[in-house]
Amino acid sequence: DIQMTQSPSSLSASVGDRVTITCRASQGISNFLAWFQQRPGKAPKLLIYDASTLQSGVPSRFSGSGSGTDFTLTISSLQPEDVATYYCQKYNRAPFTFGPGTKVDIK
Amino acid sequence: EVQLVESGGGLVQPGGSLRLSCPASGFIVRNNYMNWVRQAPGKGLEWVSVIYSDGSTFYADSVKGRFTISRDNSKNTVFLQMNSLRVADTAVYYCATGRWSDFWGQGTLVTVSS
Repeated sequence: DIQMTQSPSSLSASVGDRVTITCRASQGISNFLAWFQQRPGKAPKLLIYDASTLQSGVPSRFSGSGSGTDFTLTISSLQPEDVATYYCQKYNRAPFTFGPGTKVDIK
Repeated sequence: EVQLVESGGGLVQPGGSLRLSCPASGFIVRNNYMNWVRQAPGKGLEWVSVIYSDGSTFYADSVKGRFTISRDNSKNTVFLQMNSLRVADTAVYYCATGRWSDFWGQGTLVTVSS
């Protein structure tokens, strides 16, 4: 099965900073990748699908890129409400494995 | 408006069984991918199972042979039958719809403990 990794596992940044999270698949998955945000105590929320398509209603400061094995989630200007854990997930074929998550907080 | 409301969680002893339900509104379950995802306390998300629109089912290795996903089209509901439960199955269980899980329920807590 394909394994998903993320880096870093956690980060701390200032409001207004540009934040980048990386997700890597152990084999190519084309663009079948989604990004989720999970705030403490809440269900996950879809941010991006097909590696770079912004889900309706998600702020434009979030963007995704990549294809094959290497993917990136970028927050162009970090806001206080972005404090959360971010997960990538592949969905080219089952199992639809998640990455281990990246915890983002405010410095 | 799309809504998913999981139920059926609770406290069960190791080796026991539970059946989770996820009735849906605002869309037709049989026309969509329906996933179960779980999250152990303080841990990350773990994909558990999916049922496709054609009825095909797939499972994570950790639950294969113990869990069964199914749906009732007349009730627009997806289920997760969990047998031979282990302490390691303790988690909040979410159902989510769509190939890229665009809508999620609020989750139901399953605690496996003696």
